[in-house]
Amino acid sequence: ELKVEQNPLFLSMQEGKNYTIYCNYSTTSDRLYWYRQDPGKSLESLFVLLSNGAVKQEGRLMASLDTKARLSTLHITAAVHDLSATYFCAVEDRDSNYQLIWGAGTKLIIKP
Amino acid sequence: NAGVTQTPKFRVLKTGQSMTLLCAQDMNHEYMYWYRQDPGMGLRLIHYSVGEGTTAKGEVPDGYNVSRLKKQNFLLGLESAAPSQTSVYFCASSYFPKSRGSYSTDTQYFGPGTRLTVL
Repeated sequence: ELKVEQNPLFLSMQEGKNYTIYCNYSTTSDRLYWYRQDPGKSLESLFVLLSNGAVKQEGRLMASLDTKARLSTLHITAAVHDLSATYFCAVEDRDSNYQLIWGAGTKLIIKP
Repeated sequence: NAGVTQTPKFRVLKTGQSMTLLCAQDMNHEYMYWYRQDPGMGLRLIHYSVGEGTTAKGEVPDGYNVSRLKKQNFLLGLESAAPSQTSVYFCASSYFPKSRGSYSTDTQYFGPGTRLTVL
């Protein structure tokens, strides 16, 4: 059974600092997704990571995937207040009809 | 192009009442999903559908039923609501995974959510 763990679950940081969110998963998968959710809002897709060593960047966010370690990271560079949100990783489970198995989410608060 | 829409946005029920949540998508997606989101937890899959006329159970199907009579619509029903079903419900849709290319960055697209309170 595929399990997904995110850490930390809560992160409070100052503007301008760098930090990393980690997503570990328990069995082989070809695809990993990162989503963002603002309070009271829906989920918005940020990145789709398809292969080992994949790295994607959008603004101050960079996501990477190491399929051998079963680990993805979401790195925030020089954080700004607008990045405050909850970030979820989700891993595709081919053995369960391509369902997404979700991490619990990381609530990120960036203080001015 | 509205994407994924959900009706209603908010609802308050009394224990034992029934209701139906409607999800509609205009992207011609084969797959549709119903999730629930509870505080401090990730999304949990209730039911999903891999095409018109099909449904399948997810992680937490008890107390819910679904139907997919038309490709663009996916209905979630609560026959006898319980306080434990107080949650935010999200619908999502996607293309059929096997038909996408290996390098496709297709993802699940989410509706705005329905906040349900059961008293």
